Amino acid sequence: KAGVTQTPRYLIKTRGQQVTLSCSPISGHRSVSWYQQTPGQGLQFLFEYFSETQRNKGNFPGRFSGRQFSNSRSEMNVSTLELGDSALYLCASSGDRINTGELFFGEGSRLTVL
Amino acid sequence: GNSVTQMEGPVTLSEEAFLTINCTYTATGYPSLFWYVQYPGEGLQLLLKATKADDKGSNKGFEATYRKETTSFHLEKGSVQVSDSAVYFCALSLNSGYSTLTFGKGTMLLVSP
Repeated sequence: KAGVTQTPRYLIKTRGQQVTLSCSPISGHRSVSWYQQTPGQGLQFLFEYFSETQRNKGNFPGRFSGRQFSNSRSEMNVSTLELGDSALYLCASSGDRINTGELFFGEGSRLTVL
Repeated sequence: GNSVTQMEGPVTLSEEAFLTINCTYTATGYPSLFWYVQYPGEGLQLLLKATKADDKGSNKGFEATYRKETTSFHLEKGSVQVSDSAVYFCALSLNSGYSTLTFGKGTMLLVSP
């Protein structure tokens, strides 16, 4: 069974640009969550989607957005990039309708903003 | 709010040494508790979990017991290996129906031969 796949793995952008990251969950999983990982703040929850609906959101500015498609694949977008957005963005999927906290993580997309 | 506090690393041990990584939490409600591990260049993997007080989670020689009275979930292993070198994250989730984890900042473990 294929794991969670994130693309691209690495990317470099400049301030003011926007970026779109993609996540394909494990087959059959309908919940996709996104986390930002930085050395200073650690892992912070961005948002979670279930069956194309955002059902939970973390404390990030509106520049961070996401969506989920009918095949459960998800994208997140960051507009007007800032230097502080440099981070590893992790996607996780879950097959549980009710939260059990067991998430399956991808390897992440490492974003560098110059 | 909800939070997880872990001991700061890195923790440096020799192979076969005993490992303890401390984790305490603050939560509104009755959380489930987790340890995730991140090996270099990889995403996080669930190591073990406990869903209620006094539960013991175990996997690959690692253990952690859910202590409600001390709000703790310390990770232990009796004899570490070089291959255990990784970053360990303690996390909680409230059984609210959402797959949302609150993580500690992680503890790096370095095991030398």
